[in-house]
Amino acid sequence: AQSVTQLDSQVPVFEEAPVELRCNYSSSVSVYLFWYVQYPNQGLQLLLKYLSGSTLVKGINGFEAEFNKSQTSFHLRKPSVHISDTAEYFCAVSEVADYKLSFGAGTTVTVRA
Amino acid sequence: DGGITQSPKYLFRKEGQNVTLSCEQNLNHDAMYWYRQDPGQGLRLIYYSQIVNDFQKGDIAEGYSVSREKKESFPLTVTSAQKNPTAFYLCASSLITGIYNQPQHFGDGTRLSIL
Repeated sequence: AQSVTQLDSQVPVFEEAPVELRCNYSSSVSVYLFWYVQYPNQGLQLLLKYLSGSTLVKGINGFEAEFNKSQTSFHLRKPSVHISDTAEYFCAVSEVADYKLSFGAGTTVTVRA
Repeated sequence: DGGITQSPKYLFRKEGQNVTLSCEQNLNHDAMYWYRQDPGQGLRLIYYSQIVNDFQKGDIAEGYSVSREKKESFPLTVTSAQKNPTAFYLCASSLITGIYNQPQHFGDGTRLSIL
């Protein structure tokens, strides 16, 4: 079975600074990887996904992530954050041909002016 | 607009009471899922269904039950056997294409509390 570890539970960052959220996974088979964002009292919204192909994936709102198979990582980055990026971010993994997702515990990003 | 509707947004349960959370989708998705979210624990899968009249237990199914009589609907019942039901419950759905695992789309959740 797969598992996901988000290495930072809270990340404070100043507006217009870059941010990186770290995600590592473990699985014995090939995987698909996802990043979701959750604003307070709302559901999850897909930021980006890695299914195959280029290891650098671009998503919505200026986010991107890089799949590193040798390090089993899928870190999320944004070069310049806005106040509106304050939210909780979840990394998720599913094994190929298994539709279930396993989620990390989440990283809370707080952007300060 | 297509999407997933969860109702109610807030729900209160008395001791010994069963409550049912509604989830409806008009995305024509095949699969539907229920997750429980607790602070600092991410999302944990309760039940999922890939086709009508069929569903499977997830990681924390004890104290919960589901049905899938229609493609659009996947209600979750929190039974009195669930001793710690206070949580945020999220419903999701996805296509099954047989090529890639398609992303799951989420509703806005139901927050369940104990009176």
